Amino acid sequence: EIVLTQSPATLSLSPGDRATLSCRASQSVSFYLAWYQQRPGQAPRLLIYDASNRATGIPARFSGSGSGTDFTLTISSLEPADFAVYYCQQRSNWPQTFGQGTRVDFK
Amino acid sequence: QLVESGGGVVQPGGSLRLSCTASGFSFRNYGMHWVRQAPGKGLEWVAFIQYDGAIKYYADSVKGRFSISRDNSQNTVYLQMNSLRGEDTAVYSCARPSGGYDVWGKGTAVTVSS
Repeated sequence: EIVLTQSPATLSLSPGDRATLSCRASQSVSFYLAWYQQRPGQAPRLLIYDASNRATGIPARFSGSGSGTDFTLTISSLEPADFAVYYCQQRSNWPQTFGQGTRVDFK
Repeated sequence: QLVESGGGVVQPGGSLRLSCTASGFSFRNYGMHWVRQAPGKGLEWVAFIQYDGAIKYYADSVKGRFSISRDNSQNTVYLQMNSLRGEDTAVYSCARPSGGYDVWGKGTAVTVSS
């Protein structure tokens, strides 16, 4: 099973700040990595798929990069609605797996 | 849109069948996943079924106890859950894969407790 390790566990920032979230895979997942945002009480929302492709309707302030084992989600300038939990997920191998999440909260 | 149903409270060792009904897209053309989230915890992938039902995958934590199936005439995917344990307590959601999981249901809650 591929283990995805996200860091940091919590990121304390202010609106307007740049957020950089990391996801490291225990073995290569090529570019088959996605990022999700989950707000309290809501279903996850797909942000990025295949490492760097923004999903439909996702603002340009969200960007993804990386390949192999190291991936990054960047939010260029945080807006109040961006304070949430973010998960990475790989679809390279079965079982598909999620990271444990990074919480972005108010500083 | 995806709408789940069938959750509830069940005793350890019991069974439940969850349903996920799709609308607004061509269901028969897509594989489908079940994902769960225990209270206060992260996301855990549970099971997948190919668009025609021919291929299925399961997480090790549910293998041999859960079974995924689908009825394309009813636009519905099912999760039969047997031998339920306390650690199966979670909100269960279905999701459509397209690159990532681009459509999610709101989930149905399952509580395993005596």
